[in-house]
Amino acid sequence: NAGVTQTPKFQVLKTGQSMTLQCAQDMNHNSMYWYRQDPGMGLRLIYYSASEGTTDKGEVPNGYNVSRLNKREFSLRLESAAPSQTSVYFCASSERWDAYGYTFGSGTRLTVV
Amino acid sequence: DAKTTQPPSMDCAEGRAANLPCNHSTISGNEYVYWYRQIHSQGPQYIIHGLKNNETNEMASLIITEDRKSSTLILPHATLRDTAVYYCIASPNQAGTALIFGKGTTLSVSS
Repeated sequence: NAGVTQTPKFQVLKTGQSMTLQCAQDMNHNSMYWYRQDPGMGLRLIYYSASEGTTDKGEVPNGYNVSRLNKREFSLRLESAAPSQTSVYFCASSERWDAYGYTFGSGTRLTVV
Repeated sequence: DAKTTQPPSMDCAEGRAANLPCNHSTISGNEYVYWYRQIHSQGPQYIIHGLKNNETNEMASLIITEDRKSSTLILPHATLRDTAVYYCIASPNQAGTALIFGKGTTLSVSS
């Protein structure tokens, strides 16, 4: 099925461990985004990539790094996980930066203990 | 981006129209109004967007006031499956921007 695929779906990390959240889209979209959602809260933008080869910080970039590996893939890395990074992470893509409809993945549920 | 204000929660009876308000009194001329919804813990889903004119699609209608300071999302015949968090976002359609989501309105549809 066409769409945005996130892996893994669930992950438990110990404080200080590192990991990379993967995101891939097969819709030939140019722009991709990473959001986090804490319980009972709205989504907060971490990083985004308007086009292949570019990345920009969002509202809450501290503690994260991103890589736009190619047009399809946009990964999010936690270098040293902290309990405050326990959240649900959503990846999204859009045809262009000025496209109105974002397509979201199903999320990665991350717990840092 | 303009700040939007939405009520935290609303209730609606199944089969009735659900009217979700959004205030964006500081909206700029180049900012669109977008509506998304998030069902339970799924990823958000795009519903509709508009600049000045009212818009309608297969999911909903968007009514924007003439001064553009507020808008209303209308689900004409709400069903139980419309129970979700609805996000109203005001954002310019330009390079270097991304949608910023607030807390939204939790709509509960009951039978």
